[in-house]
Amino acid sequence: NAGVTQTPKFQVLKTGQSMTLQCAQDMNHNSMYWYRQDPGMGLRLIYYSASEGTTDKGEVPNGYNVSRLNKREFSLRLESAAPSQTSVYFCASSALAGIYEQFFGPGTRLTVL
Amino acid sequence: TQLLEQSPQFLSIQEGENLTVYCNSSSVFSSLQWYRQEPGEGPVLLVTVVTGGEVKKLKRLTFQFGDARKDSSLHITAAQPGDTGLYLCAGAPSSNTGKLIFGQGTTLQVKP
Repeated sequence: NAGVTQTPKFQVLKTGQSMTLQCAQDMNHNSMYWYRQDPGMGLRLIYYSASEGTTDKGEVPNGYNVSRLNKREFSLRLESAAPSQTSVYFCASSALAGIYEQFFGPGTRLTVL
Repeated sequence: TQLLEQSPQFLSIQEGENLTVYCNSSSVFSSLQWYRQEPGEGPVLLVTVVTGGEVKKLKRLTFQFGDARKDSSLHITAAQPGDTGLYLCAGAPSSNTGKLIFGQGTTLQVKP
């Protein structure tokens, strides 16, 4: 089992460009999450999907959109990238929404110039 | 907005020393988790505490959830270089959404 996989691992964008971060899990988990991690700020929840077919905003959703493509895949889209979106992005999944362990992917390091 | 304040943010100690990391909030959480993160990797769960006053031990690591479920601590006994990493506490405001609020993290360096 690969667990949670994310692509790409690194990306450099210019201001105004768009891109989609891909995430997939092979653990048959129902819930998936997107976080960003910035120095000194821990992880902040961007969007989450409690189950297939549902998505909800987290703490910092502005400038992002998500798609729960199927039970395995949850993508994060930046429509018009800004320097403030320079960060490390982590995808996570858990068996169910609730007090369950979240399994994290290896992260995508994004730089917006 | 619920916040979790972690302290200290940085800790550099010698092998064999003991240390405690604190995670505090003015809000009540239904549960609290501690994660450990290595450079270039995602966080990995160490423990989940659910009941106020709960104490869990994982080898040399002791985790405590405050009676009021607003704070938590992580104590490491006889730290080893392998304990080096970023420690993150994460609180769940609700028991049924999966949403987590993370603290800023504590970077621990254990020198041989």
